[in-house]
Amino acid sequence: EAEVAQSPRYKITEKSQAVAFWCDPISGHATLYWYRQILGQGPELLVQFQDESVVDDSQLPKDRFSAERLKGVDSTLKIQPAELGDSAMYLCASSFGGGTSGSLLGGIIQYFGAGTRLSVL
Amino acid sequence: GENVEQHPSTLSVQEGDSAVIKCTYSDSASNYFPWYKQELGKRPQLIIDIRSNVGEKKDQRIAVTLNKTAKHFSLHITETQPEDSAVYFCAASIAVGAGGTSYGKLTFGQGTILTVHP
Repeated sequence: EAEVAQSPRYKITEKSQAVAFWCDPISGHATLYWYRQILGQGPELLVQFQDESVVDDSQLPKDRFSAERLKGVDSTLKIQPAELGDSAMYLCASSFGGGTSGSLLGGIIQYFGAGTRLSVL
Repeated sequence: GENVEQHPSTLSVQEGDSAVIKCTYSDSASNYFPWYKQELGKRPQLIIDIRSNVGEKKDQRIAVTLNKTAKHFSLHITETQPEDSAVYFCAASIAVGAGGTSYGKLTFGQGTILTVHP
């Protein structure tokens, strides 16, 4: 069964350093999401891509976070500089997506990767 | 924006009992409501979902009910087993926006830690 791949699984860094996370969605999935999950809470959306375009980054702290999906396939999320409060699980998800209503309800299911657990010291 | 409240935050049951988790949402435009199960250290996995044109959906021991008027939906697990122990998240989204565009952003509840005692 195809899965969303993420790396690294764990990352320990010192504050003010730069970190980057990588995500490879399920093949053929047009929509890619980055979520942040603080321990004991539900995931919160940081950024959503439709192919290579950002469709929602309203919750992304743009002064330090950036995300790209240059060829509309895999994606990178970067934090520079990292702060103590950035310690969390970073989850990537993908869905088939689509732009026409006929296929939307089937394409809306989001499949999650195993995540990258970030610890900022 | 959408706000999803989930209760209870922890739930402890004996094996074989039923478990019920409840969620409320704020945005009447939301029309897709999935439930995810997340075991410790693992990825969230979809266990069941419901669209707003349906009031109830069942899959073996798991069922979800939706009350659009009251804007709440619930997960029901019958004949619980120890392997059901996990964190369960409800979520809400607008699956189809204006002009037929897919949005799909999920707003999650805070999660319920379910423990099933043998």
